[in-house]
Amino acid sequence: DGGITQSPKYLFRKEGQNVTLSCEQNLNHDAMYWYRQDPGQGLRLIYYSQIVNDFQKGDIAEGYSVSREKKESFPLTVTSAQKNPTAFYLCASSRIVRGEKLFFGSGTQLSVL
Amino acid sequence: QQPVQSPQAVILREGEDAVINCSSSKALYSVHWYRQKHGEAPVFLMILLKGGEQKGHEKISASFNEKKQQSSLYLTASQLSYSGTYFCGTEERAGGTSYGKLTFGQGTILTVHP
Repeated sequence: DGGITQSPKYLFRKEGQNVTLSCEQNLNHDAMYWYRQDPGQGLRLIYYSQIVNDFQKGDIAEGYSVSREKKESFPLTVTSAQKNPTAFYLCASSRIVRGEKLFFGSGTQLSVL
Repeated sequence: QQPVQSPQAVILREGEDAVINCSSSKALYSVHWYRQKHGEAPVFLMILLKGGEQKGHEKISASFNEKKQQSSLYLTASQLSYSGTYFCGTEERAGGTSYGKLTFGQGTILTVHP
């Protein structure tokens, strides 16, 4: 079955540490996205990519970095510059077509120790 | 800028109806609706592509007023399984790299009691 896989489901970060969240899809989608969700709030776009080796900043990119070396993979690194990283992170993918729905992964809950 | 959803929360008894609104300040190409249970991924409900379009999904339907950049989600004869947070996601009419890129509202928490 095609889908989008995020790992790990839970992640803990120490002060000053960088952590990387994994996102893999086998849907052959060109576009991939990272969203951050805080309690009681909507999804805010961190980064997105529409083609390998290219990505654009979303609304809240500071303190995060991404790479897109393969079409299937779009890992997100939460750097030590992100002072408030505790949140639920969702990865999504879609075709680059107008009005196309997003397919979401199951999410990663990141907490600070 | 995020679309604005209203109300922020709704409490219903089984069988009652509800309307959730989504309003944007941008010219929109499409509006998407998702439902999310706590700690899970959002589940796709429907997309509205044309001004004035109405779509239905079981007892859940929606409309899109292109002129006002507003969409409404209608839940009729609510069931316990409808509980969750409902999000609208908007896709701007501008082209280029905005294709497929959604901006989400802050969500509406719907609770259905027996």
